[in-house]
Amino acid sequence: GQNIDQPTEMTATEGAIVQINCTYQTSGFNGLFWYQQHAGEAPTFLSYNVLDGLEEKGRFSSFLSRSKGYSYLLLKELQMKDSASYLCAAQDSNYQLIWGAGTKLIIKP
Amino acid sequence: GAVVSQHPSWVICKSGTSVKIECRSLDFQATTMFWYRQFPKQSLMLMATSNEGSKATYEQGVEKDKFLINHASLTLSTLTVTSAHPEDSSFYICSARGAGGSDEQFFGPGTRLTVL
Repeated sequence: GQNIDQPTEMTATEGAIVQINCTYQTSGFNGLFWYQQHAGEAPTFLSYNVLDGLEEKGRFSSFLSRSKGYSYLLLKELQMKDSASYLCAAQDSNYQLIWGAGTKLIIKP
Repeated sequence: GAVVSQHPSWVICKSGTSVKIECRSLDFQATTMFWYRQFPKQSLMLMATSNEGSKATYEQGVEKDKFLINHASLTLSTLTVTSAHPEDSSFYICSARGAGGSDEQFFGPGTRLTVL
């Protein structure tokens, strides 16, 4: 079956760095997405990885290892506004997104 | 970037009535649109996939006669919740994907439906 696993909740301190891990099993693979979702809002796109390696975009970076079925989202210089749920989604061979349940990130001052 | 809009943003209706939600791609042609539902504290759940000009493909457990989807043009898809009941209250989100299967999905802002 198809499955996405990510931690349910994480807590970090303002100004620190946090890494949110995601493992996936899909029928075929056409990339992995990270989305940020604030409560009551639709998810917003953060990153897309289809090749192995690290993609850096400002304070956010995303890593992919296809052989391990593993990705992480790295957030640096955390700000209070980064408190949100972070959704990992893998795209299968039919280009449909298989969603994780999301990781709720709590930032403390 | 590509913009997807949804209308209305929120709707409150009485039990038994029907509600139509529109999803539009504003600056690109969406060959495929997806409808998701999200209950509080849960992940997005794909309800159906629609391709322009053809019937929608519904996920297992989603009633096609209750959730009518029409993808009449390359920029518009509609979801009609027929005979809505309180358990249908949820956050409905659409996303659109342009031509070329590897394109990312662009999400609409969502529609919050409350059925009294």
